Amino acid sequence: SAVISQKPSRDICQRGTSLTIQCQVDSQVTMMFWYRQQPGQSLTLIATANQGSEATYESGFVIDKFPISRPNLTFSTLTVSNMSPEDSSIYLCSVATGGSDTEAFFGQGTRLTVV
Amino acid sequence: GEDVEQSLFLSVREGDSSVINCTYTDSSSTYLYWYKQEPGAGLQLLTYIFSNMDMKQDQRLTVLLNKKDKHLSLRIADTQTGDSAIYFCAESISDYKLSFGAGTTVTVRA
Repeated sequence: SAVISQKPSRDICQRGTSLTIQCQVDSQVTMMFWYRQQPGQSLTLIATANQGSEATYESGFVIDKFPISRPNLTFSTLTVSNMSPEDSSIYLCSVATGGSDTEAFFGQGTRLTVV
Repeated sequence: GEDVEQSLFLSVREGDSSVINCTYTDSSSTYLYWYKQEPGAGLQLLTYIFSNMDMKQDQRLTVLLNKKDKHLSLRIADTQTGDSAIYFCAESISDYKLSFGAGTTVTVRA
């Protein structure tokens, strides 16, 4: 299994500012993803964080709003830019270990409130 | 497109079995997952099943997969108060990306 650490675990931010969320994994993983869980909702995939290249974004999400970095196989960041109250959500990092016995693990999430 | 559906609520008496049902639409899904989310916490992977299996058991958890009907269920035996949580069904859509259901809130009553 993979152990995922996310920082910060929660934050309250002013509208118009940006927040960068970090995701650290205790082992090298093939795939890393960022999801959003809006209040009372299910999870929606934001993007796939690609190591050494630009992230692949899902429909409805753009790089200018959610820039993502993945400098190596154990670390990624998601920035929520120019925040508005609608960005208040839990943001979760996920990793897949790949191979023949795939498990998809999640970090504990970052609970963001924009005021 | 991908669409995963679950019933929203389940109430069960302590000690009874809980059965949470899920339907999915992508017949090419390789893996199907069950996650548990307790209040204020992230997602805990409970179990997963490969699409060429029809059953998987892990202690109190039993997963049944009917691939023909695209139906997945999670049975929790001897349900305890600590099992109260939201349970998410998810299917792998491609490259280990997951599509989630809305979640089933399980309430265990004494």
